[in-house]
Parts: sequence; C-alpha cells; structure tokens
Amino acid sequence: DTGVSQDPRHKITKRGQNVTFRCDPISEHNRLYWYRQTLGQGPEFLTYFQNEAQLEKSRLLSDRFSAERPKGSFSTLEIQRTEQGDSAMYLCAVVTGGPFTGELFFGEGSRLTVL
Amino acid sequence: TQLLEQSPQFLSIQEGENLTVYCNSSSVFSSLQWYRQEPGEGPVLLVTVVTGGEVKKLKRLTFQFGDARKDSSLHITAAQPGDTGLYLCAGNFGNEKLTFGTGTRLTIIP
Repeated sequence: DTGVSQDPRHKITKRGQNVTFRCDPISEHNRLYWYRQTLGQGPEFLTYFQNEAQLEKSRLLSDRFSAERPKGSFSTLEIQRTEQGDSAMYLCAVVTGGPFTGELFFGEGSRLTVL
Repeated sequence: TQLLEQSPQFLSIQEGENLTVYCNSSSVFSSLQWYRQEPGEGPVLLVTVVTGGEVKKLKRLTFQFGDARKDSSLHITAAQPGDTGLYLCAGNFGNEKLTFGTGTRLTIIP
C-alpha cells in the first residue's frame, strides 16, 4: 500500500464527454505527479505540483487537460471533450520530502476507455 | 528529450532459468530506478542506483549501474512465476521528474 488512492479505478466514456480523476495521498507529500501510460508503453510525464503550485506541464498536456491541487493535498486531473486517443491509464505518484531522488510512489491508476 | 531504451521488449523463459534485461540512454543519469508493474496496477519501486558501477542486490535480483551512468542491467537468478511482470527503468536527468523506458514484459513459465 503506497498510500495513494485514485478514483475512479476504471472509467468508460463516450467521445466528447468530460472526465475527472482524483488522486488522494494518505499523508502529506509536497510533490505530486501525474503520468499517462498507454498499452505497451512506459508511463509518460504529464505534470507535477510542489504543494499547490503546478511547476511543469508536458507538451502532452493539451489545452483539453487541466490539473489542480487546490490545497496542496489531493489533486484532480480533468479531460474535456475526450478523444479516443485519450484512452490510457492515468497514474498519480507522490514523493516524500527532501531532494528529488526519482523515487516515486504510485497509486493504482485510473484506466480511461473512450468509445 | 532524453530517451531510455529497454531490451528485450518481451522475454518468456522457463521457471528456474536466469535472465538479464537492459536499460540504455544517450544521456547521463543523475539517478536510475527500476520499477515492476503488474497488470492494472501502478509501478512499484524496486531499487535506486546513483553511483557509477554500483551493484545492488534484492534477493534473487541484481541491479548494476554502468560506470558512465548511462546504462543499467537487471539480472534475475532462478526466475519464478511470481517474477512475471513489466520491468521499467526510469531515469532522473537532474530535474524534478522521471523519464521511463518502454519496459520489458517478462513471463516466467512454470
């Protein structure tokens, strides 16, 4: 148990609909990351937060994607006007305090299927 | 853009055999991690290596970091069905994020 809860675990939606994923770390973590993983690939970086500040966004994060971490604890990732190419596993990960060492602790992911 | 190449992409061997998988980059890593992922789950950290030439052991798994810190290998001795999964290497290149390889999908046949 990494202490990172993601919801929902699975989401099936029709193209054009909006979806929102939530990531809840059990304890306080100053850095929180979102990754996307498609079948047969490794996770790809989307964005990360230092407390409530969003510090970096990947070019993969089109203007249909928005992520927030309003109180520096849980985070949401919203995809508007979903497309079939958005089908993937969306992974949330946290880092404990201190210098970044690359040690990420992932949640179980939210799998999105866009029909 | 830093790229991590993993080989082989797929590996299927009999229980009890040994195997090695590889991770290579054209850039120098500040640190490198190996993760293991099972279907429908998030990746789980196995090990971090930082120093060139470093060797770490985790039971039957041996991780080696290249002297130049641009490559790494994972060796499994006497593979067991429980070792089945997707093995991902991930590199940190001095910034605040990890770049993952495409993974090696390992299947151990009982």
